Amino acid sequence: NAGVTQTPKFRILKIGQSMTLQCTQDMNHNYMYWYRQDPGMGLKLIYYSVGAGITDKGEVPNGYNVSRSTTEDFPLRLELAAPSQTSVYFCASGSGGTDTQYFGPGTRLTVL
Amino acid sequence: AQKITQTQPGMFVQEKEAVTLDCTYDTSDPSYGLFWYKQPSSGEMIFLIYQGSYDQQNATEGRYSLNFQKARKSANLVISASQLGDSAMYFCAMSSYNFNKFYFGSGTKLNVKP
Repeated sequence: NAGVTQTPKFRILKIGQSMTLQCTQDMNHNYMYWYRQDPGMGLKLIYYSVGAGITDKGEVPNGYNVSRSTTEDFPLRLELAAPSQTSVYFCASGSGGTDTQYFGPGTRLTVL
Repeated sequence: AQKITQTQPGMFVQEKEAVTLDCTYDTSDPSYGLFWYKQPSSGEMIFLIYQGSYDQQNATEGRYSLNFQKARKSANLVISASQLGDSAMYFCAMSSYNFNKFYFGSGTKLNVKP
């Protein structure tokens, strides 16, 4: 099993550009999450999904959109990138309940 | 509102000694989960230990134990017999009652000295 994979690993965007961060899991987890981690800080939840077709906002959803058309994939869309979105983005999945989340390796995004 | 607080930005511990990393939380959920994660300098998030709010006994996983004091709303991580490889950032996290949302603290950077 590959677990949770994220692409790309690194990306530099110009202000106003858009991009999609890809996340795929092969553990058949219903729950998937997107977090951002700013330098020296903990993770903050952007969006989450409890199954295909079901998504909801987390703590910091502004400037982002998500979709969940399949169990495996949970892409995160950034529209009109801003310097404040410079961060490391982690995708995670889990089966809910007492099981933990399994994290991807992260995407380091810089907006200049 | 749910909140996780880690008041120790950085800590040092001598190799082979025990260390306690503090975590307090606030929530209005009737049940919740408490987690600890390790983040080495390489950046990945590694799950260490889980405690359910209704669990009577403190969780243990190898050298990690969670000192859960529900009335004080604290969930401290205890690492016994520290090793050099334990040097990393440690994050406390809390899940909502339905595990839909997770809230993370700001982390504690642990340095293990030889």
